[in-house]
Amino acid sequence: AQSVAQPEDQVNVAEGNPLTVKCTYSVSGNPYLFWYVQYPNRGLQFLLKYITGDNLVKGSYGFEAEFNKSQTSFHLKKPSALVSDSALYFCAVRDGWGGGFKTIFGAGTRLFVKA
Amino acid sequence: DADVTQTPRNRITKTGKRIMLECSQTKGHDRMYWYRQDPGLGLRLIYYSFDVKDINKGEISDGYSVSRQAQAKFSLSLESAIPNQTALYFCATSDSKGTTNYGYTFGSGTRLTVV
Repeated sequence: AQSVAQPEDQVNVAEGNPLTVKCTYSVSGNPYLFWYVQYPNRGLQFLLKYITGDNLVKGSYGFEAEFNKSQTSFHLKKPSALVSDSALYFCAVRDGWGGGFKTIFGAGTRLFVKA
Repeated sequence: DADVTQTPRNRITKTGKRIMLECSQTKGHDRMYWYRQDPGLGLRLIYYSFDVKDINKGEISDGYSVSRQAQAKFSLSLESAIPNQTALYFCATSDSKGTTNYGYTFGSGTRLTVV
């Protein structure tokens, strides 16, 4: 069965510093991996995805994520954090084997960026 | 107008009452989903529908039912609400044709409180 883990409930970083939000996954086939962001009182917004190709994928708002097959990880990164990046971040995985559709979401990591 | 619209945005209801949450979309997507979000648990899938004639249970369907009235409309009902159904509910859509990013488009959510 597929699963996704976000080991940190909360990440704190100072504005201007690099940030990393961690995600590990487990699937039986080829993983489709996603990051979503949720701002207060809003729905989840798509940030970026990895389906195939380059291991480093770039997404919205200057975020990027690195797919590491050997470590089954898909960590979200940004070189320089902004206060406005403070939000709840969800990693999600879909099993691409056989055209699987079901997307599993992690529990979420709350990012606080301090000015 | 939002691509995925959920109504109501907030609702307080009493234990034992029947309540319906509605979702409509203008994305033209064929697949629709209902998730609930609880703190520390991420998003859990309640029901999903691949087209108007297709309804499937998710991981936590007990106590819920759904209706896909049209490709653009997918409603969630709580037949007899109980307090542990207090949560934030999200509707989401996706496109099976692979012409988009394989990700989901989410509504803004319905905050339901059962007292």
